[in-house]
Amino acid sequence: DAKTTQPPSMDCAEGRAANLPCNHSTISGNEYVYWYRQIHSQGPQYIIHGLKNNETNEMASLIITEDRKSSTLILPHATLRDTAVYYCIASNNAGNMLTFGGGTRLMVKP
Amino acid sequence: DGGITQSPKYLFRKEGQNVTLSCEQNLNHDAMYWYRQDPGQGLRLIYYSQIVNDFQKGDIAEGYSVSREKKESFPLTVTSAQKNPTAFYLCASSLGLGTGELFFGEGSRLTVL
Repeated sequence: DAKTTQPPSMDCAEGRAANLPCNHSTISGNEYVYWYRQIHSQGPQYIIHGLKNNETNEMASLIITEDRKSSTLILPHATLRDTAVYYCIASNNAGNMLTFGGGTRLMVKP
Repeated sequence: DGGITQSPKYLFRKEGQNVTLSCEQNLNHDAMYWYRQDPGQGLRLIYYSQIVNDFQKGDIAEGYSVSREKKESFPLTVTSAQKNPTAFYLCASSLGLGTGELFFGEGSRLTVL
């Protein structure tokens, strides 16, 4: 799996959009970008994933650059309950294990 | 509701004792995984299983053992050989090995006194 790099922490004001970046410059053509989040002392929760095209679901949007070397997870209207650690992972969906790095600790402030 | 159930949520044990953490899923998933998480760190893979009666070591398998006798169940035993067993343990499952999203349980926090 490609290695991903994320900032260790970010702050966001409640009600504003939270934009979480992820670099995956060594990603290969068949690797998907996955995002998970972990609220304190709970199991991680799947958010979204994508290969080339931008994706949106009820939780978030995923923007992947054209060269696929980086992506951004967007929480359009952050709430206090979005405070969590967000993990960006690259995987080829072919039996490779997902490797969770340190992630980004997002703090949503009132 | 479908999901993954881990038990116990909290567990205290004396040093030198083996402990077994339970993980049960009713999602009809073939693949199951165990991760360990230390404070402020990411998740590290301990063991994983693709099908019943088959499992493979992950990155940090030393001091741990697993079994997969039923599709729904993947218990983890933390043995006395594990030098630093105090940690947060997470079980997960997916449709197939490394395929699709992972579904996680709520975790088991083990403290060795």
